[in-house]
Amino acid sequence: GAVVSQHPSRVICKSGTSVKIECRSLDFQATTMFWYRQFPKQSLMLMATSNEGSKATYEQGVEKDKFLINHASLTLSTLTVTSAHPEDSSFYICSARVGDEVGTEAFFGQGTRLTVV
Amino acid sequence: KQEVTQIPAALSVPEGENLVLNCSFTDSAIYNLQWFRQDPGKGLTSLLLIQSSQREQTSGRLNASLDKSSGRSTLYIAASQPGDSATYLCAVSQGNLIFGKGTKLSVKP
Repeated sequence: GAVVSQHPSRVICKSGTSVKIECRSLDFQATTMFWYRQFPKQSLMLMATSNEGSKATYEQGVEKDKFLINHASLTLSTLTVTSAHPEDSSFYICSARVGDEVGTEAFFGQGTRLTVV
Repeated sequence: KQEVTQIPAALSVPEGENLVLNCSFTDSAIYNLQWFRQDPGKGLTSLLLIQSSQREQTSGRLNASLDKSSGRSTLYIAASQPGDSATYLCAVSQGNLIFGKGTKLSVKP
C-alpha cells in the first residue's frame, strides 16, 4: 500500500511554545490530507481537512488559530500547535487518500504523541 | 449523524482460535468501509477496504463482510496468533472517515 510518513513520532514541549508536525505522502501525491486527534480509548476525531494551495477546512469546535495547517505541496502538510497547553497533549495522526477520490483507500501516518508540560 | 459502534470493546482468546469482530453503523449511505489495525502508540495500518457495492473482501487470514442495508460489517480472523494482538478499528466513509472506538484484541500464546 501507499506510504504516509509523519514526523516527529514523539515530542515534549513546554507550555506556551509551538510545535510543528509534518505529514508526507512518500509515493503518491495528495491534494487533500486529513488531521485527526485521538484521546485514550476513544475514536479518532477529524480535526481538519488540509487542501493543497488553499485554506484548510476545520471541523466544528476546532480552533483554526490554534491548530495551523499548511499544505504547501502535493506531498507535504504540516500541523502547528500554537501556544500549546497541557490540554493539547494528545495523539495526532494524519492521513491521505491515493487518488484523492472519496471512495479510495485511506492511508495513515505513524502518529505523533504530543506531551505539553 | 453517522455513528459507528464496535462490539466487543475488548476480546481475549487463546492462540489458534477463529474470531469475529463486529462493526455497526447507523447511516447506510456510505462510500466504503475500511478496517484498520492499530498497535499501541502507533498509527493505523489499513487491513481491508470494502466498497459499498461489495459484500466481502479477503486478505490472507482476514475476511471482512459488509451488509450495507443492515448497517453491519464483520472482520473474521482465522487461526489467530499472538502477533494479531492490537486494536482493530472500523471506519465508514461519507466523504470523511467516521471511526468506531475499536476492539482491543489479545491473543494468548
